[in-house]
Amino acid sequence: AQKITQTQPGMFVQEKEAVTLDCTYDTSDQSYGLFWYKQPSSGEMIFLIYQGSYDEQNATEGRYSLNFQKARKSANLVISASQLGDSAMYFCAMREPSQMYNNNDMRFGAGTRLTVKP
Amino acid sequence: DAGVIQSPRHEVTEMGQEVTLRCKPISGHDYLFWYRQTMMRGLELLIYFNNNVPIDDSGMPEDRFSAKMPNASFSTLKIQPSEPRDSAVYFCASNQIGRPQHFGDGTRLSIL
Repeated sequence: AQKITQTQPGMFVQEKEAVTLDCTYDTSDQSYGLFWYKQPSSGEMIFLIYQGSYDEQNATEGRYSLNFQKARKSANLVISASQLGDSAMYFCAMREPSQMYNNNDMRFGAGTRLTVKP
Repeated sequence: DAGVIQSPRHEVTEMGQEVTLRCKPISGHDYLFWYRQTMMRGLELLIYFNNNVPIDDSGMPEDRFSAKMPNASFSTLKIQPSEPRDSAVYFCASNQIGRPQHFGDGTRLSIL
C-alpha cells in the first residue's frame, strides 16, 4: 500500500509568489518523522526540512515551512517568495519506527515537479 | 565537511557485464542506504546497513544484485550480470539514527 502520496505531478508558480506542495501519508504509528527533499535537474537529493510527529510547532527553515496537520495526516511543504532556482522535483518522505530498534529506513512519495516562472 | 561520495558518476556498459558502484558515507554516520531511482518506479530503497551489518535487503530486486559494507567508510553495490532494465540512477545515503539522510550525487547507470 502506498504510504506517501503526492497528488500533484507538476506545479507552476510565479516568481516571488508562495506555493504549497501537498503530501499525505498513511501510518498507524504514533511516532514518525516526515521529510522533504529537493532534487534539481542536476540530480542530487537535497534535504530541506524535517517534522517529528510529536513536534508541537510546524517546522520552518528559511523560506521553507511545513504545514503539519496530524489529524488529516498531511505534511504540506510551503515555499515562500519563490525563486527561479526553486524549480526542481520535490519529494516527501516518511520514517516510521518498527519493532526493530535499529529500523531507520524511509519511504518516498512519487514527487512533484515545481516550475517557477519569471 | 565532505558529504556522501559516490563513484563513478556515470557508468555505461554492455549487458552481461559486472557493474560495481561505490559509496563512502559521511564519517560518523552509522547507517548507509542504497536507493534506485527510475521514471517508472520512482525512488526505491534497495538495502540498508547499520554498523556495517545489512538490516533490510527486501528491496533488492533479485540475486543479480548484492551489496557489501566491509568497513564503516566503504560500501559497494554490485550487479552481475547486468541487464538493460537495471539502467537507473543509484543513490547512496547515510545518517545517524533520528537524523535526516544525506545523499550522494548518484551514479547514472546505463546498460546497453
